[in-house]
Amino acid sequence: GQNIDQPTEMTATEGAIVQINCTYQTSGFNGLFWYQQHAGEAPTFLSYNVLDGLEEKGRFSSFLSRSKGYSYLLLKELQMKDSASYLCAVRDQGQAGTALIFGKGTTLSVSS
Amino acid sequence: KAGVTQTPRYLIKTRGQQVTLSCSPISGHRSVSWYQQTPGQGLQFLFEYFSETQRNKGNFPGRFSGRQFSNSRSEMNVSTLELGDSALYLCASSLAQTTETQYFGPGTRLLVL
Repeated sequence: GQNIDQPTEMTATEGAIVQINCTYQTSGFNGLFWYQQHAGEAPTFLSYNVLDGLEEKGRFSSFLSRSKGYSYLLLKELQMKDSASYLCAVRDQGQAGTALIFGKGTTLSVSS
Repeated sequence: KAGVTQTPRYLIKTRGQQVTLSCSPISGHRSVSWYQQTPGQGLQFLFEYFSETQRNKGNFPGRFSGRQFSNSRSEMNVSTLELGDSALYLCASSLAQTTETQYFGPGTRLLVL
């Protein structure tokens, strides 16, 4: 079957670093995405990994290990505006098209 | 370039009614996917359209249907509404099919009473 797990909630303080983990089980694998979703808003694209390793984009980095079915999103120099839900999503190679399988999201609360 | 647009943004219906939601993708994007988001289940894939053809379908009952027009705009329809259909319905577009990133619209929030 298909399953994506990520922690439900995390808290951190401004200026800190936080790592949000995601583990997945799919029948095939064709890429992993991270999205950010503020309350009441649409998800916005953060990062995409299809090969093993680290992808860095400003304060955000995403890591993938396909053999372990594991990814993490690293947020550095946290700001209050980073308080949001972070969604891990996998594209299943077994499915045609661009359908994504989403985890239930990790709600990150950043305090001062 | 304008983003993905969805109409209406908010909708209130009663059980048994039907509803049609609309999505206009980013210009040049030919793939449109629909998702349902609820607090309990998170984001769940409904279906995907590419070049007016349904290419993929999630695990939802036949009351949920959709279509895509020649200009890539898409509509989804839910018939015989149930209370459990109350959700945020998100549309996402991408350039093509396989590896392209999906960009989401603001969603239509449907409340079924």
